Amino acid sequence: DTGVSQDPRHKITKRGQNVTFRCDPISEHNRLYWYRQTLGQGPEFLTYFQNEAQLEKSRLLSDRFSAERPKGSFSTLEIQRTEQGDSAMYLCASSTLDRKGPYEQYFGPGTRLTVT
Amino acid sequence: GQSLEQPSEVTAVEGAIVQINCTYQTSGFYGLSWYQQHDGGAPTFLSYNALDGLEETGRFSSFLSRSDSYGYLLLQELQMKDSASYFCAVREGNTGFQKLVFGTGTRLLVSP
Repeated sequence: DTGVSQDPRHKITKRGQNVTFRCDPISEHNRLYWYRQTLGQGPEFLTYFQNEAQLEKSRLLSDRFSAERPKGSFSTLEIQRTEQGDSAMYLCASSTLDRKGPYEQYFGPGTRLTVT
Repeated sequence: GQSLEQPSEVTAVEGAIVQINCTYQTSGFYGLSWYQQHDGGAPTFLSYNALDGLEETGRFSSFLSRSDSYGYLLLQELQMKDSASYFCAVREGNTGFQKLVFGTGTRLLVSP
């Protein structure tokens, strides 16, 4: 399967701990996105990479959140000093660029974070 | 501000046709996408409209009216496996970068 993969699928952590999630996009996709989804809501955009450059960040992304894509392939999302409000599904998506503009985004299975 | 409105829940029986409406208010509109999400699963792309009109993909069709800021997803010949949440999402941005702004989703329940 050559879809978007994320690791871990589930993470339970205590408040105040740091967590890191990984996303591996579809190999030929140079664009990578992070979203957050809470129960009963649609995904909310967090940040966007084109190759290794982080070009867009949502106001939702507080100083405790940092994302990297060091070699333009996989990406990591780190949350420092987790809070209970950080409990959510963290989704990664990737896309490429075709003649008509950015192609559709394909989502990974997500990492479900529970902060106790 | 940005807002998308969809019905929270729709019920139908197998073999029926159902329409899920979506109205939106946003800036930098580039197009309207539809995603399906089963419980615990990832959003899966269904359809995209950049221009007014109807796009058909098998049993699913999607419609857009940019002047009315309105779109819908039409599901035909419903099957039990179509029970899922359906999200409309506005593509917002420019040619080089577009983010998806999602609605709150419509839960579709298909019964025998």
